[in-house]
Amino acid sequence: DQQVKQNSPSLSVQEGRISILNCDYTNSMFDYFLWYKKYPAEGPTFLISISSIKDKNEDGRFTVFLNKSAKHLSLHIVPSQPGDSAVYFCAAKTGTASKLTFGTGTRLQVTL
Amino acid sequence: DSGVTQTPKHLITATGQRVTLRCSPRSGDLSVYWYQQSLDQGLQFLIQYYNGEERAKGNILERFSAQQFPDLHSELNLSSLELGDSALYFCASSVGSPISLSYNEQFFGPGTRLTVL
Repeated sequence: DQQVKQNSPSLSVQEGRISILNCDYTNSMFDYFLWYKKYPAEGPTFLISISSIKDKNEDGRFTVFLNKSAKHLSLHIVPSQPGDSAVYFCAAKTGTASKLTFGTGTRLQVTL
Repeated sequence: DSGVTQTPKHLITATGQRVTLRCSPRSGDLSVYWYQQSLDQGLQFLIQYYNGEERAKGNILERFSAQQFPDLHSELNLSSLELGDSALYFCASSVGSPISLSYNEQFFGPGTRLTVL
């Protein structure tokens, strides 16, 4: 049972344009959401997060939006840069539990 | 560099064998997590240790076991290996606490790629 879903396995965006990565979840108990970025041969690195009490969190070029009623979150990268090319994982956690539930990832390629 | 080290980087073995994966957390981190990433899948949580004690368990097979030692390094033991156990195994660490109301960032190691032939 995939509780966190990333339905787009890949995305290609031109440098300078906006990248939008989407994530859906089914477990209404999730109250904290994260995006991780992963380069080849490296482990995932934390990018940005959002609590369920917010609907937006911004950090530089990265903004995460949360729509609780739709159980949907998205990551916006503006402007996209070639160094952003990586696999992006959406993850979620519940309450005081530390374990993360990950989506299957979206491979972003930013082209020149 | 996250500060989390995992050895070995690659491991090739045969079905039925047993292997041990090792993880050294970041200095000062008390929590260690193990995740499995099979082909085209997300990372699946296996198990968490906090300061030597098992804290949470995910979908970890009975053939798999883990422990965290007094020096806080952790080992994941996989036995009676099957072809389907081929995957990337990630270790992560965090400052952690037994129960945390806020998120303690998990720092991931580079992973161990296990291939079972």
